[in-house]
Amino acid sequence: AQTVTQSQPEMSVQEAETVTLSCTYDTSESDYYLFWYKQPPSRQMILVIRQEAYKQQNATENRFSVNFQKAAKSFSLKISDSQLGDAAMYFCAYRANFGNEKLTFGTGTRLTIIP
Amino acid sequence: DGGITQSPKYLFRKEGQNVTLSCEQNLNHDAMYWYRQDPGQGLRLIYYSQIVNDFQKGDIAEGYSVSREKKESFPLTVTSAQKNPTAFYLCASSLPRGQNTGNTEAFFGQGTRLTVV
Repeated sequence: AQTVTQSQPEMSVQEAETVTLSCTYDTSESDYYLFWYKQPPSRQMILVIRQEAYKQQNATENRFSVNFQKAAKSFSLKISDSQLGDAAMYFCAYRANFGNEKLTFGTGTRLTIIP
Repeated sequence: DGGITQSPKYLFRKEGQNVTLSCEQNLNHDAMYWYRQDPGQGLRLIYYSQIVNDFQKGDIAEGYSVSREKKESFPLTVTSAQKNPTAFYLCASSLPRGQNTGNTEAFFGQGTRLTVV
């Protein structure tokens, strides 16, 4: 069964600095998707970035980028130029592209931005 | 506007009662999910459905039941068998697997806060 692990329950970063959130996963599949979601205090889940496993190029969305290491089953999120609005819970998630439709989340990392 | 709607936003239940949480989507998504989130915790999967009239248990299905009679709707019933139902419940939907459209992420509702009184 697939599992997703986020080993950093809490992280903090100075405003305008860069921070990296870690995520590892376990799967026997070769074709899958990985996601980072943000949950601000409103509790609305917001997609930050997605990565398709068959694409070697790391995904980037403005100040957000990932470091996808398929062999190591690692999927970290880098936030550059951190802003106060980035403060939230961040969840890593996994979904196979074929077979089981299950969408599995990690336990989350609470990110605090220090002004 | 397309989206996913959960209702009600807040729900109170007396001990021993069943209660049903509503989830409706107009995104034409086949897959739908129910998650439970406890304070400061991650999302734990209760049930998911890949297609109408079919659903599978997630990691914490005991004390919960679902139905999927229509593509747009995936209601969750919290039964009296669920010993600790007070939590935040999130519903989500996504496109079917295998569709290489790039739009593979799950879309979430705004959640229902259930409290047992």
